[in-house]
Amino acid sequence: EAQVTQNPRYLITVTGKKLTVTCSQNMNHEYMSWYRQDPGLGLRQIYYSMNVEVTDKGDVPEGYKVSRKEKRNFPLILESPSPNQTSLYFCASSQGFSYEQYFGPGTRLTVT
Amino acid sequence: RKEVEQDPGPFNVPEGATVAFNCTYSNSASQSFFWYRQDCRKEPKLLMSVYSSGNEDGRFTAQLNRASQYISLLIRDSKLSDSATYLCVVGRNNRLAFGKGNQVVVIP
Repeated sequence: EAQVTQNPRYLITVTGKKLTVTCSQNMNHEYMSWYRQDPGLGLRQIYYSMNVEVTDKGDVPEGYKVSRKEKRNFPLILESPSPNQTSLYFCASSQGFSYEQYFGPGTRLTVT
Repeated sequence: RKEVEQDPGPFNVPEGATVAFNCTYSNSASQSFFWYRQDCRKEPKLLMSVYSSGNEDGRFTAQLNRASQYISLLIRDSKLSDSATYLCVVGRNNRLAFGKGNQVVVIP
């Protein structure tokens, strides 16, 4: 089954404790991206990747890192999480930015 | 000015009625346009791509007006299952910008 998986689905953590949210797709897609969704603000793109070893900033990259060492995986790293990073995070993949985006189920992160 | 703007609503629509809403975008160089549907904080799913010639998929019709920089979505014969948030998405230079969404509530 074609899908995008994210782990964990729910996470409660404390300020400053490094964490990684994993994202994996099995569709051989080149384009992958991370979004955060906050009430009243909609979805905002954090980072995107055009292909392996090619990543670029989206609209809200501050406080986040990503890597793309393999085509299928695109982890999101929060080196020192802060409460303002409490949000619902979605990973997505596609053939390219102008194609249908396939979203993962989301990760609900709470930073206390 | 936001890159993509939508009136969040909610749009309360009687079952069987037609509802339409627009989304405006700020950058005339925008290259790709989509409508996504999102149910109650679940992942968004593609409803339809939007082309300059307009396109229709069953009860849903999408149009693009490049001169006025807006895209529209029309839902005919609304069903209870159409209750959702409809997200306008605009692509440019390898990036995607999402509107806040139009919340539609179909009432029996």
